[in-house]
Amino acid sequence: ELKVEQNPLFLSMQEGKNYTIYCNYSTTSDRLYWYRQDPGKSLESLFVLLSNGAVKQEGRLMASLDTKARLSTLHITAAVHDLSATYFCAVDGANSGNTPLVFGKGTRLSVIA
Amino acid sequence: GAVVSQHPSRVICKSGTSVKIECRSLDFQATTMFWYRQFPKQSLMLMATSNEGSKATYEQGVEKDKFLINHASLTLSTLTVTSAHPEDSSFYICSARAPGGGLFNYGYTFGSGTRLTVV
Repeated sequence: ELKVEQNPLFLSMQEGKNYTIYCNYSTTSDRLYWYRQDPGKSLESLFVLLSNGAVKQEGRLMASLDTKARLSTLHITAAVHDLSATYFCAVDGANSGNTPLVFGKGTRLSVIA
Repeated sequence: GAVVSQHPSRVICKSGTSVKIECRSLDFQATTMFWYRQFPKQSLMLMATSNEGSKATYEQGVEKDKFLINHASLTLSTLTVTSAHPEDSSFYICSARAPGGGLFNYGYTFGSGTRLTVV
């Protein structure tokens, strides 16, 4: 059974600081997804990482994937209040066909002044 | 492209009644759709995989007689919560995968979610 673990689950950080969210998964996969969820809303896609060593950046967020270590990171640079949200990583374990994503528990990020 | 429309966005119903939630793929055909449930401050939990023209596959612990899924066409899947109880109150989200990947998110598109409150 594919398991996806995120840490930390809660993160309170000051504006301007840097931090990293970690996502470990239990089976071989070279497709990993990061999503953002605001309260009361559905998921917003942030990054899709499709191969070992993939790195993608958008604004203050950068995601990377190490398939050998089964680890992905989401790095936050110089956090701003607008980044406050819950961040989920998800893995498509089967690497084929129409299989559902398995989600981590999410990291609730609060950026404070 | 690859938009999934979910309706209604919010519904309040009385205990014992049934509620239908629709999930439509607007610009692609989705042979498979996924239904998730999310309780407050928790992650998404897969309820079932909906397959066009065949029976849905339910995850362990999900009552198939209570959560009826119909995927009658390549663009529409419905989730009906039958005889709803307050403990069924939750946020329900559907997802579909556009064939051949595509788009920024490699094909996994999520509906906007349905907030169900059973009173």
